[in-house]
Amino acid sequence: GAVVSQHPSWVICKSGTSVKIECRSLDFQATTMFWYRQFPKQSLMLMATSNEGSKATYEQGVEKDKFLINHASLTLSTLTVTSAHPEDSSFYICSALTSGRLDTQYFGPGTRLTVL
Amino acid sequence: SQELEQSPQSLIVQEGKNLTINCTSSKTLYGLYWYKQKYGEGLIFLMMLQKGGEEKSHEKITAKLDEKKQQSSLHITASQPSHAGIYLCGASSAGGGSNYKLTFGKGTLLTVNP
Repeated sequence: GAVVSQHPSWVICKSGTSVKIECRSLDFQATTMFWYRQFPKQSLMLMATSNEGSKATYEQGVEKDKFLINHASLTLSTLTVTSAHPEDSSFYICSALTSGRLDTQYFGPGTRLTVL
Repeated sequence: SQELEQSPQSLIVQEGKNLTINCTSSKTLYGLYWYKQKYGEGLIFLMMLQKGGEEKSHEKITAKLDEKKQQSSLHITASQPSHAGIYLCGASSAGGGSNYKLTFGKGTLLTVNP
């Protein structure tokens, strides 16, 4: 149980384009989802907290107009990187909290974004 | 903000050897989480500790949280190549709903040589 999927697993795009990444909880309802980014050989950095039906809460230094987050349902959150640039290239990972167990985050497999 | 320091940064052991990874927090921990990550993949939840002095085990992995709730250790007994990966400790400093956001350490890269 508690499986989280991400799509796509990897994506290559041209600079200036927008990319959407989906995060789905497959076998549970996720009241809260988190989005992280990870640079090579570095730890995960929390970007934003996404609650179903409300606006995401962004961490300090994260541009909310650049990283659009939508949590439209209890099983789906999306992260859209708008007008992507090479410095946005990174590994993006989502995690989800289930209302049945608020103390543990379950992570997706990640999405590798490369912006050319 | 809470900071977590992991040591060592990397570790190479021979198969069958025991090893310990440490995680130290700058603040008192509400919850301490251990995850394992294969490079370029997501995180696999291992264990969560909340109470001072708590110890949990799963197969050959044991995690402990000290009484002051500022330091945790992850111990692997008789390591196997399947244990190889990046071990991350994560901490939550507050409880309740979306406040369960985690701060992570930089990770410990474990290599197990057959």
